[in-house]
Amino acid sequence: QQQVKQSPQSLIVQKGGIPIINCAYENTAFDYFPWYQQFPGKGPALLIAIRPDVSEKKEGRFTISFNKSAKQFSLHIMDSQPGDSATYFCAASSTGNQFYFGTGTSLTVIP
Amino acid sequence: GAGVSQSPSNKVTEKGKDVELRCDPISGHTALYWYRQSLGQGLEFLIYFQGNSAPDKSGLPSDRFSAERTGGSVSTLTIQRTQQEDSAVYLCASSKRRSSYEQYFGPGTRLTVT
Repeated sequence: QQQVKQSPQSLIVQKGGIPIINCAYENTAFDYFPWYQQFPGKGPALLIAIRPDVSEKKEGRFTISFNKSAKQFSLHIMDSQPGDSATYFCAASSTGNQFYFGTGTSLTVIP
Repeated sequence: GAGVSQSPSNKVTEKGKDVELRCDPISGHTALYWYRQSLGQGLEFLIYFQGNSAPDKSGLPSDRFSAERTGGSVSTLTIQRTQQEDSAVYLCASSKRRSSYEQYFGPGTRLTVT
């Protein structure tokens, strides 16, 4: 059973566009929701993370929107650049022991 | 400072052989995680170590998989009698402390079982 469902599977945007990646979860015990960026041949790198006590968090061009009642959270990338082309993963954890990852979104930003 | 390192970066083995994958976490990080990433898939949790506590092995897919962490630092993931379905990238991550939740990943070991 997939604990965290991520969509879309792939996404193509023009440079300067705002790609949005969505994730949904069921376990209300989750209290930490990170997003990771992964380039080919590399391990995932933490981009930004949010706790359920806030509805939005911004770090640079990356924003997480969190909807606790809907059990959904999303990543927005402002003014996207070709260098943002990568695979993005959402995840969730309730204890820091186990992390449940989405299946990933392959983002392509066209110059 | 140095990040999480893993070795080897690539490993090709024959079906039925045993393999050992190594992870060196960031110095001072007390938590260590192993994940498996199959082609085009998300990360699958395998095992978690926190300090001197008993590891959380709930993600290990079979008894052919085991892991140990010596001296609270280096960890080795062992896969016995490898099968073709074990082919994947094995990722290690470490975290500063249990309450931090921020994981730092290594580059992974790509395992191919022929």
